[in-house]
Amino acid sequence: EVRLVQSGAEVKKPGESLRISCTASEYSFSTYWITWVRQMSGKGLEWMGTIDPKDSYTSYSPSFQGHVSISVDKSLNTASLQWGSLQASDTAVYFCARHVAFGGAPGRSGENAFDIWGQGTVVTVSS
Amino acid sequence: YVVTQPPSVSVAPGETAILTCGGKNIRSKSVHWYQQKAGQAPVLVIFYDSDRPSGIPDRFSGSNSGDTATLTISRVETGDEADYFCHLWDSSTDHSILFGGGTKLTVL
Repeated sequence: EVRLVQSGAEVKKPGESLRISCTASEYSFSTYWITWVRQMSGKGLEWMGTIDPKDSYTSYSPSFQGHVSISVDKSLNTASLQWGSLQASDTAVYFCARHVAFGGAPGRSGENAFDIWGQGTVVTVSS
Repeated sequence: YVVTQPPSVSVAPGETAILTCGGKNIRSKSVHWYQQKAGQAPVLVIFYDSDRPSGIPDRFSGSNSGDTATLTISRVETGDEADYFCHLWDSSTDHSILFGGGTKLTVL
């Protein structure tokens, strides 16, 4: 079964760093772009950034540029989302999602849909 | 680019739910739709305006014309109660991947 499995819930203090992960299985990891999405409690979905696992090319939303970093480890089929200094406003659920193109082909474009989602990682930042 | 969804839609079981996603000349963009039930990850229900992923019932259909993309759910069931988000890509801005604010579908 094609899956994205995310790391577990995290509780952190403001100013701390954090890396959460998204591990792919049962498909060719480098073939499909990965996007990270934030969902604050009771709110909608927000695009954070996208990475091409093939060459680690990344694109960030201006709302998150400079505050988070997205990377991949192809040897582990894993994408990561990292913060250098967390803020209370980073408290949210974070999802990774796989891109899919028209007709179900591997997605390698910003216009793609997201066909496989991770289960979400809850991040709580509180003093 | 602004993407607009009504906050809520209510229908009775067996009726048809029509959920809209508005944006200037949205017909020129590919629109995708997700269903998100409480406490769960989103699920793709319609992509590229009107295609249905495998496993999604044919009660779900989509269209895109003018300034409005539409997700239609026929013969609504209680299990369809969820939040629905539209999603598109706007190549003209830095906020290039955009989501609508979501519509809460309530099945009465």
